Amino acid sequence: EVQLVESGGGLVQPGGSLRLSCAASGFTFSSYEMNWVRQAPGKGLEWVSYISSSGSTIYYADSVKGRFTISRDNAKNSLYLQMNSLRAEDTAVYYCARVTVGYYDSSGYYVPGPFDYWGQGTLVTVSS
Amino acid sequence: EIVMTQSPATLSVSPGERATLSCRASQSVSSNLAWYQQKPGQAPRLLIYGASTRATGIPARFSGSGSGTEFTLTISSLQSEDFAVYYCQQYNNWPPPLRYTFGQGTKLEIK
Repeated sequence: EVQLVESGGGLVQPGGSLRLSCAASGFTFSSYEMNWVRQAPGKGLEWVSYISSSGSTIYYADSVKGRFTISRDNAKNSLYLQMNSLRAEDTAVYYCARVTVGYYDSSGYYVPGPFDYWGQGTLVTVSS
Repeated sequence: EIVMTQSPATLSVSPGERATLSCRASQSVSSNLAWYQQKPGQAPRLLIYGASTRATGIPARFSGSGSGTEFTLTISSLQSEDFAVYYCQQYNNWPPPLRYTFGQGTKLEIK
């Protein structure tokens, strides 16, 4: 059974830092691209960051670029999100999510898939 | 950035009836469109990918259609467990860099 379990959330002051972890099990973690997605209280879903299966390709949403760092340890079946310079607007439940298998389109361009498995989320609250 | 717009924001439908949810992209995403269902306190669940392919274990009453910029999720006969919030998501990796974007959601409520 595929399982994704996030941890590391909590209350932090504005300007502070936090490191989230996502422990994966039930599948070959090193073969899958992964993402972080967040959801502010009562709001919709916002994609945060993507990392390829090897960790060599990384993308960020503009709202977190320069402040957040995604990484992974395939030997430990774990995904991470280092969050620095936190702001009140970063308050949200943070989910890790696995990407389905991507494909190459007719132009030979790689298209990553959507998210087929999600963790239960970890709440990050940025407040003084 | 590709902007996804869902309509309506809230849809009131009676159990057993059909629900039709819409999603529009600000530019073409081909068929790189997914739909998710989210219930209170739960993580989203993938329903549809490739605009029209049901994910594993999703009942046949859920169907997706569309391509380019206009997409529809149809639930043919609403069951009590279908009342939830639904999000569309584009995963078209063009133009680069990759930017997944979600719609703002449609809340499907019991009429």
